[in-house]
Amino acid sequence: AQKITQTQPGMFVQEKEAVTLDCTYDTSDQSYGLFWYKQPSSGEMIFLIYQGSYDEQNATEGRYSLNFQKARKSANLVISASQLGDSAMYFCAMREGRIQGAQKLVFGQGTRLTINP
Amino acid sequence: EADIYQTPRYLVIGTGKKITLECSQTMGHDKMYWYQQDPGMELHLIHYSYGVNSTEKGDLSSESTVSRIRTEHFPLTLESARPSHTSQYLCASSEFRRARKAFFGQGTRLTVV
Repeated sequence: AQKITQTQPGMFVQEKEAVTLDCTYDTSDQSYGLFWYKQPSSGEMIFLIYQGSYDEQNATEGRYSLNFQKARKSANLVISASQLGDSAMYFCAMREGRIQGAQKLVFGQGTRLTINP
Repeated sequence: EADIYQTPRYLVIGTGKKITLECSQTMGHDKMYWYQQDPGMELHLIHYSYGVNSTEKGDLSSESTVSRIRTEHFPLTLESARPSHTSQYLCASSEFRRARKAFFGQGTRLTVV
């Protein structure tokens, strides 16, 4: 069964606008972590933001924030004031189980974000 | 920030050849991973390691093998490459104390012709 679902294959946004990328997840674990990674056309995976299942506040990292709604099992990424350099694939991922274990990540299908000038 | 390196970045090779994809990290991380990613698709875990002499298969079945003789080095080997192995292979590492994220290498884009 799909554990991470990203329902937006592609999004087009005007520069300087805010954008929300959707992510829903499914797990029976009480302890888990949610990640967002950016993958530019060059191929590397760039870590953006992390939310732990027990974190009470939504995570923020600069222009990135994570809208964590635990009851709805959603972890949407919000990018404020988008820039042309934000154009890339964005992946939502989940780590199940204890932090002491392996950082085995399950990824969603990704959303291709294009920022228009 | 990430000190994890993969070589080669691009590889085009003929069917039946043996190949080794290199991955090294200088952060002293105990855990390392290999993910496979087809173009425009999600990443799938194919191998991981808890530390030296520890290797485990991931969620996606793969004909590749890995070894972990040194902490910093986690190579992936295909004994006989086939066109179905054409994909991007991404190496990652993490440690217990900073397990909030895995650091990824730049990936190796493999094409088997």
